[in-house]
Amino acid sequence: KQEVTQIPAALSVPEGENLVLNCSFTDSAIYNLQWFRQDPGKGLTSLLLIQSSQREQTSGRLNASLDKSSGRSTLYIAASQPGDSATYLCAVLQGAQKLVFGQGTRLTINP
Amino acid sequence: IAGITQAPTSQILAAGRRMTLRCTQDMRHNAMYWYRQDLGLGLRLIHYSNTAGTTGKGEVPDGYSVSRANTDDFPLTLASAVPSQTSVYFCASSGGGITDTQYFGPGTRLTVL
Repeated sequence: KQEVTQIPAALSVPEGENLVLNCSFTDSAIYNLQWFRQDPGKGLTSLLLIQSSQREQTSGRLNASLDKSSGRSTLYIAASQPGDSATYLCAVLQGAQKLVFGQGTRLTINP
Repeated sequence: IAGITQAPTSQILAAGRRMTLRCTQDMRHNAMYWYRQDLGLGLRLIHYSNTAGTTGKGEVPDGYSVSRANTDDFPLTLASAVPSQTSVYFCASSGGGITDTQYFGPGTRLTVL
């Protein structure tokens, strides 16, 4: 059974810092890995999708990497801003369109 | 505005009652999904539908049923609610391909007493 783990569970950093969020998964037989953002009381918003054949994807200040063989992904956030405060979730796509989620990292950016 | 709508936003329900959570998307996506989100357990897939007329079971399907009569709607029914079904429920949709991301609705907060 696929298990997705995100470390740390919570992270607090000063504004302007670059930071890395980690995601690991136990079964490398995935179609893609996705990073989502969730604001309190809201639904999930897709940030980046990395296909299993890709190594990284970039969108603005965000860069996500994927090492499928080692079962790891990182989300790099450059020049963090208070508006980046949210919970970040990673998820891997397996057969039959089944996304398996990690429990998330709650990120706080302090002004 | 394109997207996914869910209703109700929140609901308090007596145990044993029947409840249907509604989900509608206007993106003409083939695939739709229902998840529940619980503290400490994360998001778990309840049921999914790859296309209108078909449904499948996810990780935690017991006590829930779904139907997919058309492309846009994917209701989730709790036939006889129990307190362990207290959760936040999210509906999502996608194109159904492995390069397609999932788009999520705003969620329904359900409390079963």
